[in-house]
Amino acid sequence: EVQLVESGGGLVKPGGSLRLSCAASGFTFSSYSMNWVRQGPGKGLEWVSSISSSSSYIYYAGSVKGRFTISRDNAKNSLYLQMNSLRAEDTAVYYCATFSGEDPSNWYFDLWGRGTLVTVSS
Amino acid sequence: QSVLTQPPSVSGAPGQRVTISCTGSSSNIGAGYDVHWYQQLPGTAPKFIISGNSNRPSGVPDRFSGSKSGTSASLAITGLQAEDEADYYCQSYDSSLSGSRVFGGGTKLTVL
Repeated sequence: EVQLVESGGGLVKPGGSLRLSCAASGFTFSSYSMNWVRQGPGKGLEWVSSISSSSSYIYYAGSVKGRFTISRDNAKNSLYLQMNSLRAEDTAVYYCATFSGEDPSNWYFDLWGRGTLVTVSS
Repeated sequence: QSVLTQPPSVSGAPGQRVTISCTGSSSNIGAGYDVHWYQQLPGTAPKFIISGNSNRPSGVPDRFSGSKSGTSASLAITGLQAEDEADYYCQSYDSSLSGSRVFGGGTKLTVL
């Protein structure tokens, strides 16, 4: 079965750190660029970060640049998001998602995981 | 505030047609970048329903269609069904920040 399964969410204090993981199965993970997208409680979707298939290209949203680090391990079919200096506004469900399409500028989020909840609160 | 602007809510009776607009600017939709649409049913992850402005993946009913013109795009749903009640998001690329993908704020569709 083609799927993405996120893990690692939980409750963390402001200023703390957390590492999210996303396990891929059922497809050739190493061929796909990957993403993290988040959704705050009762809010819309927000793109967080992207990483190319070989980790050569990495991009971040301005709201997390310098605090979050995306990485992947193609041998383990896994995507990661290291989150440091967490703030209350980082509270959200974090989804991992594949990129699909022909032209990189026009790629869309194809396969999504079910998400993992991160709560930043004292 | 989202880079792409959508109406917060739309509604329609079963069988009717509704449209959801998505307005951008010269650095995203107006620059020629594709618009994609996602459906999020209550309590579930988003699912893409339209890619490349108007392409439906297999499994998405042909009641769903997308279009784009200038700095705006639209999602149309005909023959509304109760199961269409969900949040809908548009998404594109924005050239103002390298690699940046932008979403609309989302539109809640209520089937009356």
